[in-house]
Amino acid sequence: EIVLTQSPGTLSLSPGERATLSCRASQSVSSFYLAWYQQKPGQAPRLLIYGASSRATGIPDRFSGSGSGTDFTLTISRLEPEDFAVYYCQQYGGSPPFTFGQGTKLEIK
Amino acid sequence: QVQLVQSGAEVKKPGSSVKVSCKASGGTFSSYAISWVRQAPRQGLEWMGGIIPIFGTANYAQKFQGRVTITADKSTSTAYMELSSLRSEDTGVYYCARGRAAYNWNDAVDYWGQGTLVIVSS
Repeated sequence: EIVLTQSPGTLSLSPGERATLSCRASQSVSSFYLAWYQQKPGQAPRLLIYGASSRATGIPDRFSGSGSGTDFTLTISRLEPEDFAVYYCQQYGGSPPFTFGQGTKLEIK
Repeated sequence: QVQLVQSGAEVKKPGSSVKVSCKASGGTFSSYAISWVRQAPRQGLEWMGGIIPIFGTANYAQKFQGRVTITADKSTSTAYMELSSLRSEDTGVYYCARGRAAYNWNDAVDYWGQGTLVIVSS
């Protein structure tokens, strides 16, 4: 089973700043098979990025994904108030299980 | 517009079973993987397993193997997740979610149900 480790656990930033979230895998993950989700309190997660770098439908271009192998990054170029939430990475390559990272909480500083 | 509507909250005794449903509308049900994801209180997301209805065979995370059964009824566009031998640690919100591309296990999920709260308590 591939273990995904996200860092930092909590990121405190102000609106307008740039956010960089990390996801490290215990073994190599094909770039085709890495996604990022956003979850707000009381809501289901929302798909942001799939295939490591492709934005899902309706996702603003301030969200971008990059990385390969075992190291992946989600970048939010200029934080908007609605971006403060918990972010999860997920790998879905090969055989199940399709594991999630433990999450990064992005909070307002 | 694809919608996944899940059944309502459940309160169960330890040792019993729970069956959660997920009814799809607005798309082609049978061709897309339906995954089940659990979220314990104040915890992260945990992939439990899933099924592509047209193929019929479910896949499960090792952690839940033997306790979880995922099925799908193509005639009603509904997927089900049954978890048995419930314990307090199974308390949480259970989500169904649909894969992004048809006929493909290996894809992100882009539509989610609203979640079903399951409370396991004596």
